[in-house]
Amino acid sequence: QVQLVESGGGVVQPGRSLRLSCAASGFLFKDYAMYWVRQAPGKGLDWVAAISYDGSNIHYAASVKGRFTISRDNSKNTLYLQMNSLRVEDTAMYYCARAARGISSYCQHWGQGTLVSVSS
Amino acid sequence: DIQMTQSPSTLSASVGDRVTISCRASQSISGWLAWYQQKPGKAPKILIYKASILETGVPSRFSGTESGTELTLTISSLQPDDFATYYCQQYYSFPFSFGQGTKLEIK
Repeated sequence: QVQLVESGGGVVQPGRSLRLSCAASGFLFKDYAMYWVRQAPGKGLDWVAAISYDGSNIHYAASVKGRFTISRDNSKNTLYLQMNSLRVEDTAMYYCARAARGISSYCQHWGQGTLVSVSS
Repeated sequence: DIQMTQSPSTLSASVGDRVTISCRASQSISGWLAWYQQKPGKAPKILIYKASILETGVPSRFSGTESGTELTLTISSLQPDDFATYYCQQYYSFPFSFGQGTKLEIK
């Protein structure tokens, strides 16, 4: 069955960087677009970024554009989110999700999330 | 960017009730809308996509409709397992966006 396991979260100071990973299994990773979605404590879902199956098509939310970079390594079945210049408002649970089909799709499968806390 | 306005933010209901949650898009999204259910401490789960198509394994008491930019999730007869928070999401154009969520509480 589809499994998505996020890692790399933790406590970091404002202005610092962090890289999240999402290890995928149970499906042909190279065939599917992937997303990052976050959720601040007690708040709603916030779409962050999308990447096509081959990494050629990428989109970001305005709030993270220029600071975050989504990427993937299809040889390792892994999705990444490089987060630079972190802000207090980036504090959230970060979920990776698999698209149902191409990049313009819904989140069909979700990981359990990794928590990022940005605090001085 | 497309804004999704979801209502109500909180809904109190009883087991067996029929409930409706609404989501209004700021522009046409041609039905490219998904509904998710999230329980405390858990990842969201897909319920409905393309406005009205039930994901495999989702009970038939869930349904979705579309009328222009107004989209609706209906639960025909609430079960104890349905008390959760529900979100809509448009995937018509980037950046994708979610509604603010509706917390469905036991009355």
